[in-house]
Amino acid sequence: QVQLVESGGGVVQPGRSLRLSCAASGFTFSTYAMHWVRQAPGKGLEWVAVISNDGSHNYYADSVKGRFIISRDNSKNTLFLQMNSLRAEDTAVYYCAPLKYWGQGTLVTVSS
Amino acid sequence: DVVMTQSPLSLPVTLGQPASISCRSSQSLVYTDGNTYLNWFQQRPGQSPRRLFYKVSNRDSGVPDRFSGSGAGTDFTLKISRVEAEDVGVYYCMQGTHWPYTFGQGTKLEIK
Repeated sequence: QVQLVESGGGVVQPGRSLRLSCAASGFTFSTYAMHWVRQAPGKGLEWVAVISNDGSHNYYADSVKGRFIISRDNSKNTLFLQMNSLRAEDTAVYYCAPLKYWGQGTLVTVSS
Repeated sequence: DVVMTQSPLSLPVTLGQPASISCRSSQSLVYTDGNTYLNWFQQRPGQSPRRLFYKVSNRDSGVPDRFSGSGAGTDFTLKISRVEAEDVGVYYCMQGTHWPYTFGQGTKLEIK
């Protein structure tokens, strides 16, 4: 069955970096555009970034543009999110999803 | 950015009664290819989001047929013909026509 397992979350100080991973299985990963969506505690969903199925195109929310980088390794069915210059407002559960399927999310807390 | 406005934000419904959620976009969601990339998601308490509809009215597998999606241009509606207890949660619309993608604020459905 479809599985999306995010990892790499944790507590990090403002200004530092973190790299999230998402291991996909149960579907043809290389045929789907993949998204990162986040949800701050008690808040709604916020779209973060997308990467095309072959990795050639990506787009970002204004709130993360220039700080976050989305990438993928189709040979390993894995999606990544490199998060730099983290801010307190980046604190959220981060989900990876081709939108049809969603992972359980990984919590990122930015705090000193 | 395209602003997605949902109403109501809170929706108390009696079991077995219908429910309707409106989603309005600040720009037309008709893409150059003629498709309208409007999605609906359900997030039950403590769970990850789940997509219900894509391209306005295309139901995802496993979604009960008491759910329906409709609309065009800038006005969209999610309807539940007879609300059941398992429908409790927050519902989000999301546009995938214009970059960056954007979500509505969410509509919290509860049982009256």
